[in-house]
Amino acid sequence: AQSVTQPDIHITVSEGASLELRCNYSYGATPYLFWYVQSPGQGLQLLLKYFSGDTLVQGIKGFEAEFKRSQSSFNLRKPSVHWSDAAEYFCAVGEGAAGNKLTFGGGTRVLVKP
Amino acid sequence: DTAVSQTPKYLVTQMGNDKSIKCEQNLGHDTMYWYKQDSKKFLKIMFSYNNKELIINETVPNRFSPKSPDKAHLNLHINSLELGDSAVYFCASSQGLQDYEQYFGPGTRLTVT
Repeated sequence: AQSVTQPDIHITVSEGASLELRCNYSYGATPYLFWYVQSPGQGLQLLLKYFSGDTLVQGIKGFEAEFKRSQSSFNLRKPSVHWSDAAEYFCAVGEGAAGNKLTFGGGTRVLVKP
Repeated sequence: DTAVSQTPKYLVTQMGNDKSIKCEQNLGHDTMYWYKQDSKKFLKIMFSYNNKELIINETVPNRFSPKSPDKAHLNLHINSLELGDSAVYFCASSQGLQDYEQYFGPGTRLTVT
């Protein structure tokens, strides 16, 4: 069965600084990978996804992620964070055999200092 | 015009009660899901339905029974509520079984006292 690990539970970053969130997955086949963001009291919003092709994918709100098969990683980055980026971020992997089931990591809470 | 909506947003009830959470999507999607997010923010799938047919049932207790009257609605009924059922429940939808891009509702925070 696949699994997703987000090693950082909390990250604090200053506004304007760069941000990188780590995600490692365990999955036998080529994974379908996602990053979702959850603002306080809200549902999850899809930031970006990787299915195949270019390993650097662009998403909404200025986020990008890079798929590295050799490291089983799909790290999320943003060059300059805004206060509105304070939220919980979830990495997820999709499994096709079970009918597009998503397995989520434990999440990383991002705090933005002024 | 909310894409995936859930009612109620908050639900506070006592142990042993039976309650339902409703979900509706207006995206024309065929597949809908229920997820549970616990107090540690861990998010886990419970069920998925495709065109009213159950696809995924992740060893959820029998007290939880999803019902899909049509492909735009997926309701979650919970019998004999327990303290451990306290969580945020999210509904989601996707275009079909081959589509991993899921759209989430705002969540229902269930508190069992």
